[in-house]
Amino acid sequence: QKEVEQDPGPLSVPEGAIVSLNCTYSNSAFQYFMWYRQYSRKGPELLMYTYSSGNKEDGRFTAQVDKSSKYISLFIRDSQPSDSATYLCAKGGVTGNQFYFGTGTSLTVIP
Amino acid sequence: AAGVIQSPRHLIKEKRETATLKCYPIPRHDTVYWYQQGPGQDPQFLISFYEKMQSDKGSIPDRFSAQQFSDYHSELNMSSLELGDSALYFCASSSRDSSYEQYFGPGTRLTVT
Repeated sequence: QKEVEQDPGPLSVPEGAIVSLNCTYSNSAFQYFMWYRQYSRKGPELLMYTYSSGNKEDGRFTAQVDKSSKYISLFIRDSQPSDSATYLCAKGGVTGNQFYFGTGTSLTVIP
Repeated sequence: AAGVIQSPRHLIKEKRETATLKCYPIPRHDTVYWYQQGPGQDPQFLISFYEKMQSDKGSIPDRFSAQQFSDYHSELNMSSLELGDSALYFCASSSRDSSYEQYFGPGTRLTVT
């Protein structure tokens, strides 16, 4: 079983839609949760990180962690075609060094 | 803002050859991480270094070795290359105090033929 499970999609939405991306994790010892965006043939780009439970908002992006259900979510409001990419959730190890990534969800925002 | 630099961007090697990948972290970042991403897969952690010392080890094959130098750049040395080593190799960097903020480079695409 992977440390982080993520629905690979693909997910296709019309421009302006609210997108919900989700991951589940298995080991409660991990404390940091990250969302990365990866365009084709590019390196993952850090979008947001959260520590512990709760929400964190940055512009059109909101990251949510529910430790009781071991659920990580990323919401994208007013989605744009430029948001089309693969979104990877990750969690940091106890030491913080080793990241465990989900398989990534491929998102396409249709103009 | 300066980002992580990786070289080369593309590399083609034959089986059983060796390869060296280089990574230059973001200025003032003291920790470097190496990841391997196969086609359609998520990045897999290989190894990390802090202040020239190995700080964590993941699924790095014994044929691979890495080190970090005094200027914080890092090199990943890969020997006896196999077809299965064909992948994107990413380097990421962070400061020690913010290891949850790992910033990735553009990657080196290694093709083993």
